Amino acid sequence: ETGVTQTPRHLVMGMTNKKSLKCEQHLGHNAMYWYKQSAKKPLELMFVYNFKEQTENNSVPSRFSPECPNSSHLFLHLHTLQPEDSALYLCASSQDQTDPYEQYFGPGTRLTVT
Amino acid sequence: GDSVTQMEGPVTLSEEAFLTINCTYTATGYPSLFWYVQYPGEGLQLLLKATKADDKGSNKGFEATYRKETTSFHLEKGSVQVSDSAVYFCALSDPPYNNNDMRFGAGTRLTVKP
Repeated sequence: ETGVTQTPRHLVMGMTNKKSLKCEQHLGHNAMYWYKQSAKKPLELMFVYNFKEQTENNSVPSRFSPECPNSSHLFLHLHTLQPEDSALYLCASSQDQTDPYEQYFGPGTRLTVT
Repeated sequence: GDSVTQMEGPVTLSEEAFLTINCTYTATGYPSLFWYVQYPGEGLQLLLKATKADDKGSNKGFEATYRKETTSFHLEKGSVQVSDSAVYFCALSDPPYNNNDMRFGAGTRLTVKP
């Protein structure tokens, strides 16, 4: 596989469920990102990991919990979500310290919270 | 803070029409500028980029010129095709790059009719 992959592509979960989104990048990058894309709203940066260390958390509710075990993998653990959390969740990666560090995106996970 | 403003959509054109999507930016430094495209059901793909004033990015018939005097990076294509129907995002990244901070516009949906 090449590029950035995300699984699952679609997820429907109840508000009491616990699920995880997975992202894997095959580009040798060392920075990874989670974004939330909701209808009619700008892309929202949620978390940034740089060399496996979280460097940014944009006031994301604690019901979203990221995990970055290594530079190639990124998870987003979900629990007790709300219907307004339904969105497309995009993962991206970039080669940090490179000018300019364009980001490469995965196809996204379409999440529906019922 | 840094920001990107792009024209609101949706934009509907007939095949072979000329396309312009306006993008202006606000930045404290000397940012790099990008256009990303998102096709239905997919993540964002980098379309083109420019790293300094007067640079022209181009790809797949699309062009954008980095205009520092007008703080703009308008996307153009001389003859659009149905397959160009997608959402287009203007974005910037501003030094220092190790902040991993990329700012996206709200996106402009383009529909091209045969």
